[in-house]
Amino acid sequence: KQEVTQIPAALSVPEGENLVLNCSFTDSAIYNLQWFRQDPGKGLTSLLLIQSSQREQTSGRLNASLDKSSGRSTLYIAASQPGDSATYLCAAQGGSEKLVFGKGTKLTVNP
Amino acid sequence: DAGITQSPRYKITETGRQVTLMCHQTWSHSYMFWYRQDLGHGLRLIYYSAAADITDKGEVSDGYVVSRSKTENFPLTLESATRSQTSVYFCAATPREGTYEQYFGPGTRLTVT
Repeated sequence: KQEVTQIPAALSVPEGENLVLNCSFTDSAIYNLQWFRQDPGKGLTSLLLIQSSQREQTSGRLNASLDKSSGRSTLYIAASQPGDSATYLCAAQGGSEKLVFGKGTKLTVNP
Repeated sequence: DAGITQSPRYKITETGRQVTLMCHQTWSHSYMFWYRQDLGHGLRLIYYSAAADITDKGEVSDGYVVSRSKTENFPLTLESATRSQTSVYFCAATPREGTYEQYFGPGTRLTVT
């Protein structure tokens, strides 16, 4: 059974700092790895999807990498801003279409 | 732009009542999913559907029923609501064939008293 872990559960950084969020998964036979952002009381916004044949994806200040052999993905946020404050979730998709989610990292960027 | 909507956004019901949560999407090709989100458990899959009339159970399907007679709609029914079903429910869909990237609706906050 796939299990997804995100460490740390919470992170507080000053504005402008570069930061890395970690995601690990137990079953390396994944099809996709998807990163989401969730603001309080809101739905999930898809940030990046990395397919199993890819090593990384970039969107603006965000860069996500995938290492299937080690069961790890990282989300790199460059030059963090207060507007980046949110909970970040990663989810692994196996041979079926179902996503298994981590419990998220709550990020606070202080002005 | 096409998208995914849920209704109602908030619902309060009593134990034992039947409740139906609605999900509607406007993409022509789409898998659809229902998740619930609870503190301490994160997001868990309830049911999913590959196409009209094709549904399958997820991790926490007991007490829930789904149907998908039309591609664009995927209602979730709580047959006899219990307090443990108090949660935030999210519907998701995959609009792009071949990538399985999931897009989420705004959620329904359900309280069972």
